[in-house]
Amino acid sequence: GAVVSQHPSWVICKSGTSVKIECRSLDFQATTMFWYRQFPKQSLMLMATSNEGSKATYEQGVEKDKFLINHASLTLSTLTVTSAHPEDSSFYICSARVRNTIYFGEGSWLTVV
Amino acid sequence: QKEVEQDPGPLSVPEGAIVSLNCTYSNSAFQYFMWYRQYSRKGPELLMYTYSSGNKEDGRFTAQVDKSSKYISLFIRDSQPSDSATYLCAMIRETSGSRLTFGEGTQLTVNP
Repeated sequence: GAVVSQHPSWVICKSGTSVKIECRSLDFQATTMFWYRQFPKQSLMLMATSNEGSKATYEQGVEKDKFLINHASLTLSTLTVTSAHPEDSSFYICSARVRNTIYFGEGSWLTVV
Repeated sequence: QKEVEQDPGPLSVPEGAIVSLNCTYSNSAFQYFMWYRQYSRKGPELLMYTYSSGNKEDGRFTAQVDKSSKYISLFIRDSQPSDSATYLCAMIRETSGSRLTFGEGTQLTVNP
């Protein structure tokens, strides 16, 4: 069964609005979660590392004010895309480490119109 | 040079064929090795993970690691059309803070 769950699977929002994506670890505590972005037919691109109880660590080139990450509990990390624009339309995926491997969520498709 | 090299394919095989997917890596610090399957428009699904040299089998899948050669493989026996997907190799080294290093992914099509 799923180890990491993401919600929503699909979301459409208007340009200029904000949208929140949730990533939950099921049946385990995740002190660290990761957020990725993937464009069609391209590789996963790591956006940030989400640490429970502290600030996220963003990869170079990722706007921290645009992609707000909150990891307020050991089972939940959220990614908020603020003031979304059509170029933010993409597939967003979270992951979490369980012992010595990494599990991914189902992904969330964001379309900004 | 990329840390992890994977032939992107595409690879097309007939149903029932044995599929061999391969990755090489350059950093001997990698400790944990994973294979993921990603269907179109879905998140990657963990197929196999291992941390030692040798073979690990799970149903139709066998993961092979050769740390001395810095080479990992995934074999799929009796391939099915439902195996058509992109296969990603990935690795972790503890010094990277659990960050995954991916291969480019191999696109596989199994034809009925």
